[in-house]
Amino acid sequence: DQQVKQNSPSLSVQEGRISILNCDYTNSMFDYFLWYKKYPAEGPTFLISISSIKDKNEDGRFTVFLNKSAKHLSLHIVPSQPGDSAVYFCAASGTGTASKLTFGTGTRLQVTL
Amino acid sequence: KAGVTQTPRYLIKTRGQQVTLSCSPISGHRSVSWYQQTPGQGLQFLFEYFSETQRNKGNFPGRFSGRQFSNSRSEMNVSTLELGDSALYLCASSSGTGWGNEQFFGPGTRLTVL
Repeated sequence: DQQVKQNSPSLSVQEGRISILNCDYTNSMFDYFLWYKKYPAEGPTFLISISSIKDKNEDGRFTVFLNKSAKHLSLHIVPSQPGDSAVYFCAASGTGTASKLTFGTGTRLQVTL
Repeated sequence: KAGVTQTPRYLIKTRGQQVTLSCSPISGHRSVSWYQQTPGQGLQFLFEYFSETQRNKGNFPGRFSGRQFSNSRSEMNVSTLELGDSALYLCASSSGTGWGNEQFFGPGTRLTVL
């Protein structure tokens, strides 16, 4: 049972344009959501997070939106840069289990020149 | 601050053997979580240790175990290795307190079981 889903395995975006990565979840007990970026042969790198009491969080070029009623979150990267090319994972945790992250399957982002 | 370190980075074992992986968290972090990454199953939570106690556990068989020392360093052990245990094993550290604390990952240990 995949509780966190990233339905797009890959995404290609031109440099300078917006990248939008999507994530859906099914477990209503999740109350904290995170995005990680991963390069091959490295561990995931934390990007940005959002708690369930907010619907938007922004950090530089990265913005995460949360729609609780739809159980959907998205990561916007503006403007996209070639160095953003990586696999992006969304993850979720619930109350009392903050250190137990449930990950999506990842979306490979390719930013082209 | 130094990041999360994991040793060894690469390991090759044969079926039936056992293996021990090590993780040193970021200084001051008291929580260490372990994850398994495979192409088929993605990143899956194994267990979390906080102040030397297992606090959360995922759905893995008892062959997978861990422990944490008083300096927060953690080890993970897999006994009676199977071919399907070949994976990237990642550990992550966090403060372990508060709501939604972010986890910071190490580079992982790539385990190959032949």
